[in-house]
Amino acid sequence: EIVLTQSPATLSLSPGARATLSCRASQSVSSFLAWYQQKPGQSPRLLIYDASNRAPGIPARFSGSGSGTDFTLTVSSLEPEDFAVYYCQQRSSSLTFGGGTKVEIK
Amino acid sequence: EVQLLESGGGLVQPGGSLRLSCEASGFDFNNYAMTWVRQLPGKGLEWVASISAGGDSTYYANSVKGRFTVSRDTPKNTLYLQMDSLRAEDTALYYCAKDHMEGVTISFYCDYWGQGTLVTVSS
Repeated sequence: EIVLTQSPATLSLSPGARATLSCRASQSVSSFLAWYQQKPGQSPRLLIYDASNRAPGIPARFSGSGSGTDFTLTVSSLEPEDFAVYYCQQRSSSLTFGGGTKVEIK
Repeated sequence: EVQLLESGGGLVQPGGSLRLSCEASGFDFNNYAMTWVRQLPGKGLEWVASISAGGDSTYYANSVKGRFTVSRDTPKNTLYLQMDSLRAEDTALYYCAKDHMEGVTISFYCDYWGQGTLVTVSS
């Protein structure tokens, strides 16, 4: 099973700051990686698929990069509604999720 | 508007069974693969099972293989998850989700999710 490790576990930032979230795979997943956002009491929301493609309706401040084993989700300038938990997910071999990164207000 | 409405959750004893349903609307259910994902209370996400648009291909996490069965009823626009031999570790909020890609190919990316139905396995 491919294990996805997300870091940091918690990211404390101010609105307007740049957020950089990491997801590392235990073996190559090529570009078969997605990012989701989940707010308290809500279902996950697809942000990025195939490592760098924004899902429809997702603001341009969200971007994804990487391939192989190392991936990054960047939020260029945090809006108040962006404070949430973010999960990465791979589909290269079966389907697994990372443990999540919580982006909280500093 | 895409809507996914799960039902069927509840309290069940270890070794028992439950069948979850997910009623879909707002899109052509017949043309999209569907997936079940669960979330332990206050924890992360775990993939459970997926089914192709036509229902002819199914995929399961190792943790549920042989115990859970995913199926779909196209005329009823409904996805199911039959859960047998339930264990305490199956306690979670179960989401159904729509595949991102239309057609026979499953992307395994989920672009719409329901609100979930809670399953509690306890004696």
